[in-house]
Amino acid sequence: SQTIHQWPATLVQPVGSPLSLECTVEGTSNPNLYWYRQAAGRGLQLLFYSVGIGQISSEVPQNLSASRPQDRQFILSSKKLLLSDSGFYLCAWKEHGQGRRDTQYFGPGTRLTVL
Amino acid sequence: QKEVEQNSGPLSVPEGAIASLNCTYSDRGSQSFFWYRQYSGKSPELIMFIYSNGDKEDGRFTAQLNKASQYVSLLIRDSQPSDSATYLCAALVYNQGGKLIFGQGTELSVKP
Repeated sequence: SQTIHQWPATLVQPVGSPLSLECTVEGTSNPNLYWYRQAAGRGLQLLFYSVGIGQISSEVPQNLSASRPQDRQFILSSKKLLLSDSGFYLCAWKEHGQGRRDTQYFGPGTRLTVL
Repeated sequence: QKEVEQNSGPLSVPEGAIASLNCTYSDRGSQSFFWYRQYSGKSPELIMFIYSNGDKEDGRFTAQLNKASQYVSLLIRDSQPSDSATYLCAALVYNQGGKLIFGQGTELSVKP
């Protein structure tokens, strides 16, 4: 069965500090991978998605970046955090390809607080 | 801009009642829709998906899709306090890596 991991689970960082969040998936090959952010009391905002190693699509302009150095690893980074970067960061995966039944499965999330 | 709209709630129903959650979408090209449940502080978990007009049932849950009206709903029968959560509706966007457009979520509270 497939498993998705995220770490760290919780993070408190000062404004202007760097960020690195990691997501890994087990039990599948060549998945599509996604990074979402959820602000308090809000819906999910898609930040980045990747359909393969080194392939990153950015959805919203911001001071965040994403990388996919390995097939089942997805990293979210920032050089300098802003207060507005606080939120619940969720990684998700789905099977590669495209179909009406395509379902995304979410990791446990990282709660980031920028002070 | 493709959008998915949900009533933010909170929606409060008594235990044992039917909870009805609604969602509208703007992109007529959307073909598949997903309902996720999210408990406070946790990540979303899939309840069910639907891509054909009509009803789809899974246990106490029924999803309904009306493509002509661009309307999706989720009915929860015999609501339980454990159903208290935020319910997220999402539309699948084709040709863009299978990304989902999410609504803002509806908070459901089931009172014992």
